[in-house]
Amino acid sequence: GAVVSQHPSWVICKSGTSVKIECRSLDFQATTMFWYRQFPKQSLMLMATSNEGSKATYEQGVEKDKFLINHASLTLSTLTVTSAHPEDSSFYICSSNGAHYGYTFGSGTRLTVV
Amino acid sequence: GEDVEQSLFLSVREGDSSVINCTYTDSSSTYLYWYKQEPGAGLQLLTYIFSNMDMKQDQRLTVLLNKKDKHLSLRIADTQTGDSAIYFCAESNLGTGFQKLVFGTGTRLLVSP
Repeated sequence: GAVVSQHPSWVICKSGTSVKIECRSLDFQATTMFWYRQFPKQSLMLMATSNEGSKATYEQGVEKDKFLINHASLTLSTLTVTSAHPEDSSFYICSSNGAHYGYTFGSGTRLTVV
Repeated sequence: GEDVEQSLFLSVREGDSSVINCTYTDSSSTYLYWYKQEPGAGLQLLTYIFSNMDMKQDQRLTVLLNKKDKHLSLRIADTQTGDSAIYFCAESNLGTGFQKLVFGTGTRLLVSP
């Protein structure tokens, strides 16, 4: 079946540094990639939608200069959290709708900023 | 905008049936989904239903859709301890262009032996 490989699974970084999260579609072309953020015991909040080869569309309230999204190929999309702060600590999940119906999710990245 | 609501918590005994409910507001929803999330993991698609269907059954899972009341339910027969997780309903609408998913608030299912 369709698989989205997300790395890293977890990362701890210092305040002020940047962290890159990768999502790769392994057996299909991820034309569109969705990036979500999930706080503990809460639902998923859509941050941005990216299409291969074009600029990402960010949801209201999401800083595009802080959460940089690159979708340069049909199999790779990246989210870079720049100048991370403790309040950026969260669970980040990517998802693509490129495979037949429905959406395939990555396994998530737990980011802790100290 | 779209809004999807779920009850927060459900506790059942192993072997019983579980019913998780979801209500939504978007009358033009095209697909409605049920996802399962285990601790620290991504989301696993359990099943989905197209908005012109009333019911869908897949092994232990039964999805019921009441389009008039905008109510979706997921029934898990013979619930097992491995079914303990958070369950999210979600809806998508082709009218959004990118088929954006809107998630419910999630229901935490706890199955006790």
